[in-house]
Amino acid sequence: NAGVTQTPKFRILKIGQSMTLQCTQDMNHNYMYWYRQDPGMGLKLIYYSVGAGITDKGEVPNGYNVSRSTTEDFPLRLELAAPSQTSVYFCASSYEGLRERSYNEQFFGPGTRLTVL
Amino acid sequence: GENVEQHPSTLSVQEGDSAVIKCTYSDSASNYFPWYKQELGKRPQLIIDIRSNVGEKKDQRIAVTLNKTAKHFSLHITETQPEDSAVYFCAATLLFSGGYNKLIFGAGTRLAVHP
Repeated sequence: NAGVTQTPKFRILKIGQSMTLQCTQDMNHNYMYWYRQDPGMGLKLIYYSVGAGITDKGEVPNGYNVSRSTTEDFPLRLELAAPSQTSVYFCASSYEGLRERSYNEQFFGPGTRLTVL
Repeated sequence: GENVEQHPSTLSVQEGDSAVIKCTYSDSASNYFPWYKQELGKRPQLIIDIRSNVGEKKDQRIAVTLNKTAKHFSLHITETQPEDSAVYFCAATLLFSGGYNKLIFGAGTRLAVHP
């Protein structure tokens, strides 16, 4: 298993540009997540999905959009890039999520380092 | 909303010493508390977790303790080694709308183990 993979590894955007960060997992996990990690900080949840066709906002969703058309893929879209979106983005997945009585490890991808200038 | 505070932000120890990192959480409904280790430039990886019905859990040199009354939990690393040097994050679940939990992370502790 490749686990959770993300592309690209690095990207520099100009203010106002758009891009999609790709995330794929091959573990048949139904829950997927997008986090951002600012320098010296913890992880903040942007969006999450509990299954194909179902997504919901996390702590910091403004400026982002997601879709989940398949179990494997969970792309993150930035429509109008701003310097405040400079960060490292991590995608993660888990099986059944973290519902009561069902606690499962979140597996993280290698991250995408995004700089907006 | 839920908040997780983590202390200290940096920790420097000599090889062989013990290291303790503490976290407090605000939502008494939280029921799952994982710890992640992130080496420089790498992805976070789970090292140990604990559920709210357990007070302590050990895995070789690492252990986690939970005090539900005080709403805090701690990571203990004994006999530290240079390869333990990394950033450690605690997290807590927050019971979310629809019954789905989501993790709230602390800001991290940068641990340096000196030979």
